[in-house]
Amino acid sequence: SQKIEQNSEALNIQEGKTATLTCNYTNYSPAYLQWYRQDPGRGPVFLLLIRENEKEKRKERLKVTFDTTLKQSLFHITASQPADSATYLCARPPYNQGGKLIFGQGTELSVKP
Amino acid sequence: DAGVIQSPRHEVTEMGQEVTLRCKPISGHDYLFWYRQTMMRGLELLIYFNNNVPIDDSGMPEDRFSAKMPNASFSTLKIQPSEPRDSAVYFCASSFERAGYTFGSGTRLTVV
Repeated sequence: SQKIEQNSEALNIQEGKTATLTCNYTNYSPAYLQWYRQDPGRGPVFLLLIRENEKEKRKERLKVTFDTTLKQSLFHITASQPADSATYLCARPPYNQGGKLIFGQGTELSVKP
Repeated sequence: DAGVIQSPRHEVTEMGQEVTLRCKPISGHDYLFWYRQTMMRGLELLIYFNNNVPIDDSGMPEDRFSAKMPNASFSTLKIQPSEPRDSAVYFCASSFERAGYTFGSGTRLTVV
């Protein structure tokens, strides 16, 4: 089966540090990966899409990498702030079915002042 | 744009009752998705539509669940009869082609 695995343990970091979240996938490399942020009681919010042929993508303080050899994507938040505290979800399309996404369980990030 | 609009926000119903969840996607989006989220299973895709046509309903748990999209601006997810194990947050999302999804605020369903 094609799974997406994220670290289920919550990540606690100090304000100003860089947060790094990991997303591992199995079997076929997807054509792209997507990252979302979810706050309690709200729906996920799309952050970034990175394609298979892109090694890295940036958006303001966010950076995503895609390593097809390691079958892994890393999500970095630099100069983290308490407002970055949320659950971050990684998602991939199944092989040969680009229309839908399979989501990981998410990693909860807590940034302490 | 008001985003993806779901109603109701909360629904409490008794086991055996029919439940209908509603969704208005973003105008111009050609994909619509229904997901269910629980602590145990995370976000699970139930069904998705492309240009109002159901494409994949393999995630629909059983015949008690049905979904329709009569036009580009409206979709419903119906559970009949409802059971306590259906309690979850149900999200509707829409997207244009295969870009990032826009999710609604969800419907928190409690079946007692």
